[in-house]
Amino acid sequence: QKEVEQDPGPLSVPEGAIVSLNCTYSNSAFQYFMWYRQYSRKGPELLMYTYSSGNKEDGRFTAQVDKSSKYISLFIRDSQPSDSATYLCAMRDNNDMRFGAGTRLTVKP
Amino acid sequence: DTAVSQTPKYLVTQMGNDKSIKCEQNLGHDTMYWYKQDSKKFLKIMFSYNNKELIINETVPNRFSPKSPDKAHLNLHINSLELGDSAVYFCASSHLAGLAGGTGELFFGEGSRLTVL
Repeated sequence: QKEVEQDPGPLSVPEGAIVSLNCTYSNSAFQYFMWYRQYSRKGPELLMYTYSSGNKEDGRFTAQVDKSSKYISLFIRDSQPSDSATYLCAMRDNNDMRFGAGTRLTVKP
Repeated sequence: DTAVSQTPKYLVTQMGNDKSIKCEQNLGHDTMYWYKQDSKKFLKIMFSYNNKELIINETVPNRFSPKSPDKAHLNLHINSLELGDSAVYFCASSHLAGLAGGTGELFFGEGSRLTVL
């Protein structure tokens, strides 16, 4: 079993849809939970992060962490074509960062 | 100014050759990494250096040798290249998580796309 599981998709939605992306993990030592966005032929960039359990909202993006279930989610409201990218979940303890496989999202106009 | 820069961006070479990729960061971070991203976009850590000392060394063939001359630079040398080495190699840097309340967010370079023929 991989430490971090993420459905690679691809996921295709119409513009304006609500998108739900999620990851599960096995290492209970992870404390920092992040979502990175990677556009084609670019490096990943941090989109959201959450420390421990809870929700965090930033504009159209909401990140949720449920440590008891070892499950994290990213919601995108009113999705736009510019949101088309690969979204990678990531989590770390003090030294070690692990990534999910990434979900490729396409938002169609 | 580019925060994490790596060169070259593209590298096409023959099997058996030796090649190097260079990375520099100007963010004042103390930790640098090399990640390999395969064609399915899976990012896998290879090495991590903290203040020039190796702290993570995943199961990577010893044909791959990282070198950190100072904490702002981390280079990757690959000997006897094989077809399976074709991938995008990302350099990244961060503060360690927990320091000054930071998340240890990784800042990535743009990647070096290696194609082995």
